[in-house]
Amino acid sequence: DTGVSQDPRHKITKRGQNVTFRCDPISEHNRLYWYRQTLGQGPEFLTYFQNEAQLEKSRLLSDRFSAERPKGSFSTLEIQRTEQGDSAMYLCASSLTGVRAEAFFGQGTRLTVV
Amino acid sequence: GDSVTQMEGPVTLSEEAFLTINCTYTATGYPSLFWYVQYPGEGLQLLLKATKADDKGSNKGFEATYRKETTSFHLEKGSVQVSDSAVYFCALSLMDSSYKLIFGSGTRLLVRP
Repeated sequence: DTGVSQDPRHKITKRGQNVTFRCDPISEHNRLYWYRQTLGQGPEFLTYFQNEAQLEKSRLLSDRFSAERPKGSFSTLEIQRTEQGDSAMYLCASSLTGVRAEAFFGQGTRLTVV
Repeated sequence: GDSVTQMEGPVTLSEEAFLTINCTYTATGYPSLFWYVQYPGEGLQLLLKATKADDKGSNKGFEATYRKETTSFHLEKGSVQVSDSAVYFCALSLMDSSYKLIFGSGTRLLVRP
């Protein structure tokens, strides 16, 4: 088991471009979470999946953001028409279901919008 | 709403000093509480957790006790090492079905030889 992996690790894009990030969770984990972390702040919840179903989206997730988890395996997070305010670290975490289940985090994708 | 407040950093200590990082929370119900650590260039790692009042979480010499009466979960270590230098995040997990985490803003710890 290689843990949660995210790709790419770094992304620089011009304002207005679309970007897509990928997260590969721990294989047996049915829960997958996306968080956003800005400089000097703690991670903030964006959305989560139970298998392939997206069960909750934060109000932080504007219409320009979309996330998918086809077949309940890897997940993608797409940001359309990027803005400078989207610059942040995007973290993915996976877990089993249950109150005692530990969430394992990937190393994150750092997005810089110029 | 639910939130976590932790002391601002950076906290700078000499090696072998005693560490306390304060964390308090506001939540409906009885959340689970966590400390995560983030080393430079790496993702978050779970350091310790406590799931009910008076539970003590411990790992790698770090400890934290879930205090319901003071809504606190302070992180302590008796003797810090240079390798403990990192950013520490206090977090709570809501008792709804999402189990999503709410984090504090993080406290950077710098340990000098």
